[in-house]
Amino acid sequence: AQTVTQSQPEMSVQEAETVTLSCTYDTSESDYYLFWYKQPPSRQMILVIRQEAYKQQNATENRFSVNFQKAAKSFSLKISDSQLGDAAMYFCASSRNEKLTFGTGTRLTIIP
Amino acid sequence: DAGVTQSPTHLIKTRGQQVTLRCSPKSGHDTVSWYQQALGQGPQFIFQYYEEEERQRGNFPDRFSGHQFPNYSSELNVNALLLGDSALYLCASSFGGLGNTEAFFGQGTRLTVV
Repeated sequence: AQTVTQSQPEMSVQEAETVTLSCTYDTSESDYYLFWYKQPPSRQMILVIRQEAYKQQNATENRFSVNFQKAAKSFSLKISDSQLGDAAMYFCASSRNEKLTFGTGTRLTIIP
Repeated sequence: DAGVTQSPTHLIKTRGQQVTLRCSPKSGHDTVSWYQQALGQGPQFIFQYYEEEERQRGNFPDRFSGHQFPNYSSELNVNALLLGDSALYLCASSFGGLGNTEAFFGQGTRLTVV
C-alpha cells in the first residue's frame, strides 16, 4: 500500500516570493509516479506537475518545480514568483496503476 | 472539449436512501475512477472502471457500487446512505491501460446526507 504525508496544513507567502510545500511518501513499488494537484475553491483538481520515479531529473513546469529525493521518499513543490491565483489547496499524490493516493493537503495563502 | 463533467453538482439525501452520481469522461478517455473527499481531507480512491469492468477497488464497503457504459460514462451508486457518506465525490478520467497517464478531474458532486 502507498501512503502520502503532508505535514504542513497551512502555508502563506508574500506575492512574488517563493514557497516550498513538503511531501513524503511510502511505497514498496519500484514503478510509480508522483503528482502535485491544486484544488481551488471551484473544487476541480488541477494537475500542477508530475514526476516519474525512474527519472532522476526533477520536473519543472514554468514557475513550479519539484525536489524529488527518491532515497528519502521526499517530493517537495517549489512555487516561484507566487501569484494571487496560486492560492488553493495543494495535494501531493502517488500513483500506481492509475490509482492515486493523496495526502491531506496544504492550504496555500498568498499575501498581496 | 468539455472535459470531465459530473452531475448533479449538489445533492441532499436522507439517511437510508440510495443515490446515483454520474460522470462523463473527457473525450478520448476510456478509464473512469471515483474518489470520495471528506471535508478537510484528501480524496480517497473508491474504484476504477475500464472496458465496463471494475478493475481496481479501494477500501469501501459493498454499499458503494458502480457501472461503466459502452460510451465510457460511469455511475456511482451508494445504498443505505449513512451520515458519514457526506462528502465531495470526484470523478477522474484517463486513457488506456495501467500506464499512469494523467488523470483529469471533474468538479465533483457535493453529497449531503441528513
